[in-house]
Amino acid sequence: DTGVSQDPRHKITKRGQNVTFRCDPISEHNRLYWYRQTLGQGPEFLTYFQNEAQLEKSRLLSDRFSAERPKGSFSTLEIQRTEQGDSAMYLCASSLIVGLAFGYEQYFGPGTRLTVT
Amino acid sequence: GQSLEQPSEVTAVEGAIVQINCTYQTSGFYGLSWYQQHDGGAPTFLSYNALDGLEETGRFSSFLSRSDSYGYLLLQELQMKDSASYFCAAPGSGGYQKVTFGTGTKLQVIP
Repeated sequence: DTGVSQDPRHKITKRGQNVTFRCDPISEHNRLYWYRQTLGQGPEFLTYFQNEAQLEKSRLLSDRFSAERPKGSFSTLEIQRTEQGDSAMYLCASSLIVGLAFGYEQYFGPGTRLTVT
Repeated sequence: GQSLEQPSEVTAVEGAIVQINCTYQTSGFYGLSWYQQHDGGAPTFLSYNALDGLEETGRFSSFLSRSDSYGYLLLQELQMKDSASYFCAAPGSGGYQKVTFGTGTKLQVIP
């Protein structure tokens, strides 16, 4: 297993453009999380999936953000009409969880660094 | 809601022992995780305390006291490579789990 991968690693876009990021979790992991991290801060929860079901979405996430996990495998995070405040590192993590237990051990991908100009 | 507070920076000498504290306020609490993150890298899981007491994993130990809403990460025999940011994290309450990360502690190990 090669771990969690994310693509692209870096993205520079102009304000107002749409961007999409991809995350490939560890293959046997059923839970997938998206986080946003800015410099000097801890990861901030955005949303998570249990298999293909999106079970929770942060209230901080505006309608411009959407995430999918078709077939419970890879996931995509789309940001529409990007704003400069969206500039951050977007991290994906996965874990293997039985039922609705707690995802205390998460494996993170390298992240996608988004810069909105 | 949830909040987890940590000291922003800690400096310690190579070979020494350092303790990184985490105090939390949560509406529900089911345990405390710790992650390490080197500059430019991804967070890496270190340990988890579901119950009160000390959990030891090699040079790293983690402690939890539910009655005090407090935990800490203890790093022994510090090495230069331990210089990194350390985050405590806690799952939410109920059946749907949002994990909240602490404010983070930047550890600098000096010779």
